[in-house]
Amino acid sequence: GQNIDQPTEMTATEGAIVQINCTYQTSGFNGLFWYQQHAGEAPTFLSYNVLDGLEEKGRFSSFLSRSKGYSYLLLKELQMKDSASYLCAALDSNYQLIWGAGTKLIIKP
Amino acid sequence: DVKVTQSSRYLVKRTGEKVFLECVQDMDHENMFWYRQDPGLGLRLIYFSYDVKMKEKGDIPEGYSVSREKKERFSLILESASTNQTSMYLCASSLRGEGYNEQFFGPGTRLTVL
Repeated sequence: GQNIDQPTEMTATEGAIVQINCTYQTSGFNGLFWYQQHAGEAPTFLSYNVLDGLEEKGRFSSFLSRSKGYSYLLLKELQMKDSASYLCAALDSNYQLIWGAGTKLIIKP
Repeated sequence: DVKVTQSSRYLVKRTGEKVFLECVQDMDHENMFWYRQDPGLGLRLIYFSYDVKMKEKGDIPEGYSVSREKKERFSLILESASTNQTSMYLCASSLRGEGYNEQFFGPGTRLTVL
């Protein structure tokens, strides 16, 4: 079966760094997405990785290891507005997105 | 600016009622999707459409149907609402084609079935 695993909840301090992990098992693989979803709002796109390695975009970076079926989202210089759920989703061989349940990130002052 | 809109943010219906949820996108996207989102579960795909009048079942189509008469509009229909269909419903759209096609989401409709 197809499966995405990510932690349910994480807590971090304002100004710090946090890493949200995601492991995936899919029928084929065509890339890994990260989305951010604030409470009561729609998910918004953060990043897409299809090749191994780290992609940096401002305070946010995303890493992929295809051989390990593993990705992480790295958030630096955390701000209170980063409190949200972070959704990991893998694109399978049929180009269908398989979604994780999301990681709720709580930022404390 | 990219936009996906949904007809209602909040909806309360009674068991057995027929419910229509509408989604409109202004990006000329070929693909449109309906998901439901429940606490502790990932987004689950109900139905999707690659083109006008085309529809494909997702992972949980039972109890739902869809309609796509125009490219910009994708409707989700609950033929006879039940309490287990109480959920957040999210519509999304994307360009057609393989590879990296970001999905753009609407604001969601929180449906409560009493």
